Parts: sequence; C-alpha cells; structure tokens
Amino acid sequence: NAGVTQTPKFQVLKTGQSMTLQCAQDMNHNSMYWYRQDPGMGLRLIYYSASEGTTDKGEVPNGYNVSRLNKREFSLRLESAAPSQTSVYFCASSVARGEQAATQYFGPGTRLLVL
Amino acid sequence: KNQVEQSPQSLIILEGKNCTLQCNYTVSPFSNLRWYKQDTGRGPVSLTIMTFSENTKSNGRYTATLDADTKQSSLHITASQLSDSASYICVVRSSSGGFKTIFGAGTRLFVKA
Repeated sequence: NAGVTQTPKFQVLKTGQSMTLQCAQDMNHNSMYWYRQDPGMGLRLIYYSASEGTTDKGEVPNGYNVSRLNKREFSLRLESAAPSQTSVYFCASSVARGEQAATQYFGPGTRLLVL
Repeated sequence: KNQVEQSPQSLIILEGKNCTLQCNYTVSPFSNLRWYKQDTGRGPVSLTIMTFSENTKSNGRYTATLDADTKQSSLHITASQLSDSASYICVVRSSSGGFKTIFGAGTRLFVKA
C-alpha cells in the first residue's frame, strides 16, 4: 500500500498562473482533506471531502477549488496563483470525518513557490 | 477562540537524554488530543491519541500525558535518538462543528550526537 500520494513534489509558479495539485489514497478511506502549512503556524484546513461526491470549505478556502474525482482522488486547484499561496500543501485521508477518533494519514506534501 | 499552543518552539538535546514537550489548549468541547511526529520533508504521522478519560499513554519511548482539567498535555521522549529529530505537533479535536481539528504550530526537536 502506498498510503497517500501527492504530485507534484515541488512546483514554481508565476503570479496569475494556474495549477492543480493531485492526491490519491489507496486505503479505501471515505474522507479526504487539503491543508496548507506555513512557517510558525499549525496546519490549516483548506477544503475537505467527507465522502465521495461532497466537498466543503475549511478554514482558508479563498483562492482554491477542489474536486473529489472518485473515492480515491481529491485534487486542489489554484486558478490564479498569488505569492500568499506560497506554502507546503498536504493531502490527508481518514476512514470517516465524523468518527471521533479517526486517524488522519498524510501525504508527503507539495512545496509550492509563487513568484 | 479554539487555540493550541506548544512550547518550546525549538529544542536541542544530546543523544540519550530525555525531554518533555508541552501543549496547552483552549479547545472546547474537547473530544481527543493527538501527538504527531513530522520528519523534515514528510507529512505528519500519528504517535498517540488521548481521550478525556485517559491520563497517560505510551508508544515505545514516547509517553503522552493529559490533564483535561487544566487543558494541558505533554509528550515525554526517553533516551532520545538521532531519529527523534523532527517536529512534534499537538492536535486537539473538538466535538462540535463536525469534529473540528485544531493544529498546534509544533515543537522542532534537534537531537545531537
């Protein structure tokens, strides 16, 4: 089992460019999440998908869109990148968001630099 | 406001020594608290989970404590190894708002030979 995989590992964009970050999990989890991690701050939730076919905004959704393509895949799109979106992006999955003790499993992250 | 604060921000210790990392939270209502380990360039990995009724839980050389009355948790690392060099993140889950999860900023631990 690969767990949670993310592509690409690194990306440099110019302001205004668009890109899609890909995430896939092979653990048959229902829920998937996108976080960003900035220096000196805790991970912040961008969007989540509690189950296939549903998506909801998290703490910092502005400037992002998501697609839950199927049970395995959850993508994050930046339509017009801004320097403030320079960050490390983590995808995670869990059995079910509503489960009290559900463990989140994280991917290796995508490092994004917006110039 | 739900918050999770960790101290110290960073810590340097010698291999073989013990250390304790602190986590204070104001999350309410409380559901559970996890400690994650994040190696450089990797995603976080869960070490322990503690619920309201648990005071202590161990995972090898890692021992987590929870005082739900004072809203404090600690992670004690015994006989540190070079591989313990990582960030340790305290994560508190609220039982409201669809089980909202609040992440601390982490403590960066450096273990030196």
